[in-house]
Amino acid sequence: DQQVKQNSPSLSVQEGRISILNCDYTNSMFDYFLWYKKYPAEGPTFLISISSIKDKNEDGRFTVFLNKSAKHLSLHIVPSQPGDSAVYFCAGISSGSARQLTFGSGTQLTVLP
Amino acid sequence: EAGVAQSPRYKIIEKRQSVAFWCNPISGHATLYWYQQILGQGPKLLIQFQNNGVVDDSQLPKDRFSAERLKGVDSTLKIQPAKLEDSAVYLCASSLDPAAGPFFGQGTRLTVV
Repeated sequence: DQQVKQNSPSLSVQEGRISILNCDYTNSMFDYFLWYKKYPAEGPTFLISISSIKDKNEDGRFTVFLNKSAKHLSLHIVPSQPGDSAVYFCAGISSGSARQLTFGSGTQLTVLP
Repeated sequence: EAGVAQSPRYKIIEKRQSVAFWCNPISGHATLYWYQQILGQGPKLLIQFQNNGVVDDSQLPKDRFSAERLKGVDSTLKIQPAKLEDSAVYLCASSLDPAAGPFFGQGTRLTVV
């Protein structure tokens, strides 16, 4: 039962252009969504989050959009830089006392110079 | 601020052997997580502690995996006996606020041969 789905295993973008990473979810009990970035041989690092009561959150070059009716969120990176090349994971935090964090399978972003 | 510390970084064992991983979370973080990440997949929660109590261990294969959190600080994860399919990166994470993104350690890469 995949509660968080990232259907694109990989994405290549030219430097300076926009990168759009997509994520779909099925669990209506998620009340926060997070994006993590992971470089090889390192643990995931937190990038940006959004509450389920918002539809947009922006932090510098990174913007996350949430469409609750479609159960879809996306991460926009503008402009993309070669250092952004990494695996990006989408994750949802469920409401309730346990506050479980459930990850998608990740998307490998490659930014070409 | 020191990050989440994990050891060892790498471990190779034969199937049916036992192995233990250690994690030291960020000071003051009450919530500690152990995740298993198999190549090409997102991290999967094994166990979540709040202080020294278990909040969620529903996905922990309890016939072979065990975990404890000593005095609500350090934690160890043990596998006994190991199987080939346990080959993965084992990630420890901690958070002050479960609603915020946990901070991850670098992980332990386990190879079972």
